[in-house]
Amino acid sequence: GQNIDQPTEMTATEGAIVQINCTYQTSGFNGLFWYQQHAGEAPTFLSYNVLDGLEEKGRFSSFLSRSKGYSYLLLKELQMKDSASYLCAAITGGGNKLTFGTGTQLKVEL
Amino acid sequence: DGGITQSPKYLFRKEGQNVTLSCEQNLNHDAMYWYRQDPGQGLRLIYYSQIVNDFQKGDIAEGYSVSREKKESFPLTVTSAQKNPTAFYLCASSSTGGSTDTQYFGPGTRLTVL
Repeated sequence: GQNIDQPTEMTATEGAIVQINCTYQTSGFNGLFWYQQHAGEAPTFLSYNVLDGLEEKGRFSSFLSRSKGYSYLLLKELQMKDSASYLCAAITGGGNKLTFGTGTQLKVEL
Repeated sequence: DGGITQSPKYLFRKEGQNVTLSCEQNLNHDAMYWYRQDPGQGLRLIYYSQIVNDFQKGDIAEGYSVSREKKESFPLTVTSAQKNPTAFYLCASSSTGGSTDTQYFGPGTRLTVL
């Protein structure tokens, strides 16, 4: 079956850096997405990795290691508005089917 | 102003009633998807469609039905056969349904069955 694991909750301080990890065990893996979701709202796209390595987009970066079945999302210069759930989703089954993790609820404190 | 709309935002129904959730997109995307989100669980795929007049079951299709008569519309019907229908329902779309296409989400409909 498909399995995606990520921590349930994390807390960090405004202005700091936080790393949210995601491990996956899936068949037909073809890339990994990160989404941000504020409570009661739609998930919004943050990043996509298909090759090993780091993708940087402003304050957000995402890393993928296909051999280790591992990804992380790095958030720099944390702001209060970054308090949200961060969803890791793997493309599985060789098509555009996404398997989602349960999400990591990040709380940014003063 | 392009995007995905879902209506209504909140919906209440009595047990045993069918209910249809609306999803419309003006992004000219070929593929559309329906997910369900429950507390403590990841999003789970209900149905998806990669082209008009064609759709496939996702992981949890039992108790749901869909249609795709127009490219821009993909309504979801929650039938009385769905045992636990109370959830947050999210519609998404992507350009071609290809393996690396980003899926973009609508604002969601929170369905409560009383």
